[in-house]
Amino acid sequence: NAGVTQTPKFRVLKTGQSMTLLCAQDMNHEYMYWYRQDPGMGLRLIHYSVGEGTTAKGEVPDGYNVSRLKKQNFLLGLESAAPSQTSVYFCASSYRGQGANTEAFFGQGTRLTVV
Amino acid sequence: GDSVTQMEGPVTLSEEAFLTINCTYTATGYPSLFWYVQYPGEGLQLLLKATKADDKGSNKGFEATYRKETTSFHLEKGSVQVSDSAVYFCALKAAGNKLTFGGGTRVLVKP
Repeated sequence: NAGVTQTPKFRVLKTGQSMTLLCAQDMNHEYMYWYRQDPGMGLRLIHYSVGEGTTAKGEVPDGYNVSRLKKQNFLLGLESAAPSQTSVYFCASSYRGQGANTEAFFGQGTRLTVV
Repeated sequence: GDSVTQMEGPVTLSEEAFLTINCTYTATGYPSLFWYVQYPGEGLQLLLKATKADDKGSNKGFEATYRKETTSFHLEKGSVQVSDSAVYFCALKAAGNKLTFGGGTRVLVKP
């Protein structure tokens, strides 16, 4: 049972470079999320998607773009990396709606360093 | 907007001590509430959840009760172990289905 898989797990970028983080889930979840985790700040929502072909901005969307071309994949892009984007990135997915079955499942995280 | 406030850490305890981590929330409507745990070097795992007022979530000796009147969801464990050392996150899911997290509380249990 793979669950939520993030690639890569680690990456070092130079300022101005671009990269894409891939998130894949095999649970047929409608909702997918990208968070960043910074020391002392918990998890902050970057972008999310409520279904294939749809995306929406979260709390800290600037400097990031996302795409959800297939239901099982959610891509996070950095067009021009900045040191302020050094962080640990987590992808999550969940079923649609409220109630007992809407817990989010998380990937193992991607540690990104921008130098 | 929705928000979650939880006590700042770190919380340092001795083994077998009682643990409480306070969590309060602000949300529209009737959110579902969650506690997630993050062990060192890992992603977040669901610890327990509650979906309506007065529900009690429990797992691995941890408990939390959904208190609508005080908008709280405090986490408790009667006797902690070294293996409970982790970061604990309180979270809510309200209208719009965005999962909103608190800042996290680091717990360190010493033998």
